[in-house]
Amino acid sequence: KAGVTQTPRYLIKTRGQQVTLSCSPISGHRSVSWYQQTPGQGLQFLFEYFSETQRNKGNFPGRFSGRQFSNSRSEMNVSTLELGDSALYLCASSLDGGRNQPQHFGDGTRLSIL
Amino acid sequence: GDSVTQMEGPVTLSEEAFLTINCTYTATGYPSLFWYVQYPGEGLQLLLKATKADDKGSNKGFEATYRKETTSFHLEKGSVQVSDSAVYFCALTPPGGKLIFGQGTELSVKP
Repeated sequence: KAGVTQTPRYLIKTRGQQVTLSCSPISGHRSVSWYQQTPGQGLQFLFEYFSETQRNKGNFPGRFSGRQFSNSRSEMNVSTLELGDSALYLCASSLDGGRNQPQHFGDGTRLSIL
Repeated sequence: GDSVTQMEGPVTLSEEAFLTINCTYTATGYPSLFWYVQYPGEGLQLLLKATKADDKGSNKGFEATYRKETTSFHLEKGSVQVSDSAVYFCALTPPGGKLIFGQGTELSVKP
């Protein structure tokens, strides 16, 4: 069974640009969550999507947005990039996001802002 | 709000030593508890989980017991190997589903 796939693995952007990251969940998983990992703040929850609807949202500015498609694939968009957005962005999927279900993570997209 | 606190790293051990990584949590309700491991350049992998008080999760020689009375979920392994070198994250899911992580503990095992 294929795992969670994130593309691209690495991205370099400049301040002010926007970026879109992609995540394909494990087949059959309908919940997709996004996390930001930085050395200073650790792992922080961005948002969760289920059945094409955002169900949970973390404490990030509106520049961070996402969506989910009917096949459960998800994209995350960050607009007007800032230096502080440099981070590893991790996507995780689970069957339906229930709290007892483990989340399965992709290898992440490392975003560097110059 | 809900939170997880882990012992600070890095932790350096010799091969075959006993490992304990402390984890305590603050949560309303009854969260599920997890340990994840992150190897260099990779995402997080689930190591073990416990969903209710007194549950013991175990995998690959690692164990952790959900202690509601002390709000703890300490990770232990009787004999570590060089291949266990990684960053370990304790996490909880309160009702609502998102994962709340501790700050991570880096483990380095020397031969």
